[in-house]
Amino acid sequence: AQTVTQSQPEMSVQEAETVTLSCTYDTSENNYYLFWYKQPPSRQMILVIRQEAYKQQNATENRFSVNFQKAAKSFSLKISDSQLGDTAMYFCAPPGGGADGLTFGKGTHLIIQP
Amino acid sequence: ETGVTQTPRHLVMGMTNKKSLKCEQHLGHNAMYWYKQSAKKPLELMFVYNFKEQTENNSVPSRFSPECPNSSHLFLHLHTLQPEDSALYLCASSQAPGRPFYGYTFGSGTRLTVV
Repeated sequence: AQTVTQSQPEMSVQEAETVTLSCTYDTSENNYYLFWYKQPPSRQMILVIRQEAYKQQNATENRFSVNFQKAAKSFSLKISDSQLGDTAMYFCAPPGGGADGLTFGKGTHLIIQP
Repeated sequence: ETGVTQTPRHLVMGMTNKKSLKCEQHLGHNAMYWYKQSAKKPLELMFVYNFKEQTENNSVPSRFSPECPNSSHLFLHLHTLQPEDSALYLCASSQAPGRPFYGYTFGSGTRLTVV
């Protein structure tokens, strides 16, 4: 079975700090993408960043970057210079089994304090 | 605007009512999905449609009935629901769910309350 673990149910940091959200997963696939989604209070699930498993270079999108360790099946998200608008639930999503595409973790509730 | 539109945004219904949730995408995607998001639980996949054909039904009770008339539209028909069905229902679309999977685009969800 495909599994994903986000070990931090909630995190709180001050504005402008750097924060890292952890994610570990299990998959039997070899060629796949990994994703981080953000869900703010507006409920919209927004794609934050996508990593191609066959690429050694870690993906970066502005203030968001990942630390992808394929052998360890670890996929953490780093947010630099955090902003109040980063307050949201963050979901790690590796490939799921079957036809569903992705498996979602339970999420990390990130709170950015002013 | 994400390209996936869900209506209504909020819905309150009695246990004997019949209602429908609607999802529409104009991204040219071929697959559409219904997810249920309950408090403190991971997203639960309910149904998958690939090129209008249902390819996944994740042991969902028959009081939830999906319909996919074309690749751009997806409905979830609701009848005789239970209070535990209260949740956020998310629609998503993607290119065909082959491998590697390129990810979803989500709608804003319908917040359903069953009274």
